Amino acid sequence: AQSVTQLDSHVSVSEGTPVLLRCNYSSSYSPSLFWYVQHPNKGLQLLLKYTSAATLVKGINGFEAEFKKSETSFHLTKPSAHMSDAAEYFCVVSDPAGGTSYGKLTFGQGTILTVHP
Amino acid sequence: SQTIHQWPATLVQPVGSPLSLECTVEGTSNPNLYWYRQAAGRGLQLLFYSVGIGQISSEVPQNLSASRPQDRQFILSSKKLLLSDSGFYLCAWSHRGAQYFGPGTRLLVL
Repeated sequence: AQSVTQLDSHVSVSEGTPVLLRCNYSSSYSPSLFWYVQHPNKGLQLLLKYTSAATLVKGINGFEAEFKKSETSFHLTKPSAHMSDAAEYFCVVSDPAGGTSYGKLTFGQGTILTVHP
Repeated sequence: SQTIHQWPATLVQPVGSPLSLECTVEGTSNPNLYWYRQAAGRGLQLLFYSVGIGQISSEVPQNLSASRPQDRQFILSSKKLLLSDSGFYLCAWSHRGAQYFGPGTRLLVL
């Protein structure tokens, strides 16, 4: 079984300050991990993915995440927040492809990021 | 490049009426396809997935059904809508482990 816990339901930062969105996971397999962003009334957009290559993953819009197996964490960071980063962020873990779940994703409950001017 | 379409974008339906939401993918063949529901203030719940034409797997028992009549078409249906069917419905396709989402359909059942 796999699960994802996003440790903060809301995060508030000032524009230009760093962003940290925390995520812990559990998985019986070597997991694939993802971060998605969702702006209001929009679909989800893939920010970045980890699939057992480099542990530091760079994504779009200046975001990056580091896979730490010893801590079972996959926190999302950005050095400097922009107003357009305000959205909801989902940490996601995936069953391995070819397993019985056909790449089923398990979503965290989401973290709403607010950016103040 | 691949694109995924969903329609309608928004829908208001009375309780007891039927439902048909459509999802199509362009630029890829034989994709795995997924239907999710996102209720207000909650995460995403996987409803159905399909690995090929006519192959549907249901994740949770519910008032909805899904069909895949063509390789790149995935349809979500209901014969009689319930109030609890309101939500944001997202279709997705997968490639190399990641899933790529459509713009979603906002359904309000009154």
